[in-house]
Amino acid sequence: ETGVTQTPRHLVMGMTNKKSLKCEQHLGHNAMYWYKQSAKKPLELMFVYNFKEQTENNSVPSRFSPECPNSSHLFLHLHTLQPEDSALYLCASSQGDAKETQYFGPGTRLLVL
Amino acid sequence: GDSVTQMEGPVTLSEEAFLTINCTYTATGYPSLFWYVQYPGEGLQLLLKATKADDKGSNKGFEATYRKETTSFHLEKGSVQVSDSAVYFCALSDHEGGKLIFGQGTELSVKP
Repeated sequence: ETGVTQTPRHLVMGMTNKKSLKCEQHLGHNAMYWYKQSAKKPLELMFVYNFKEQTENNSVPSRFSPECPNSSHLFLHLHTLQPEDSALYLCASSQGDAKETQYFGPGTRLLVL
Repeated sequence: GDSVTQMEGPVTLSEEAFLTINCTYTATGYPSLFWYVQYPGEGLQLLLKATKADDKGSNKGFEATYRKETTSFHLEKGSVQVSDSAVYFCALSDHEGGKLIFGQGTELSVKP
């Protein structure tokens, strides 16, 4: 059971393409997160939004551009990606800060060719 | 900075075996500690958590105790099932409560 949805579930793109990942939470939470999950590596926090304001940018390259139009929606705009950006991108939300439980979506599996 | 270290996997057990997955942490202040589980093809979901020293989190037969003196939060289950096969992540919230810091995950495979 999850109140966090992500689309698309799978994405293949070339290095010159522009695409966007979408996340929507139906839980009434105020905070939303983007994580990158690569094989054999810990989850990497990319961005944090709290009440639509970005509160964390974890030294993410500018080819990843987040957008949070409201507390329920979060986007990750992608352009001129590299093959090493291939990973599972997870969205999460929470009510309050990171001491509270984060609820994760199923992720978007991205392959950059 | 804050960090989490988990035992490396994969861990393979027979059904009804006892499970321990070790987790130790380094942190400033008094973090909250979490275990998340990721089943194949899904996102992470919270398994249990503890917010202060000596607290025990428990859920679905799993339990972990917040040990400040050994900076550990080991996950245990007395009798695993095939359905417990998944990747388990230990995590802490940093002292400012701004983000979760995850370990690298431990894959558990339970055979019938």
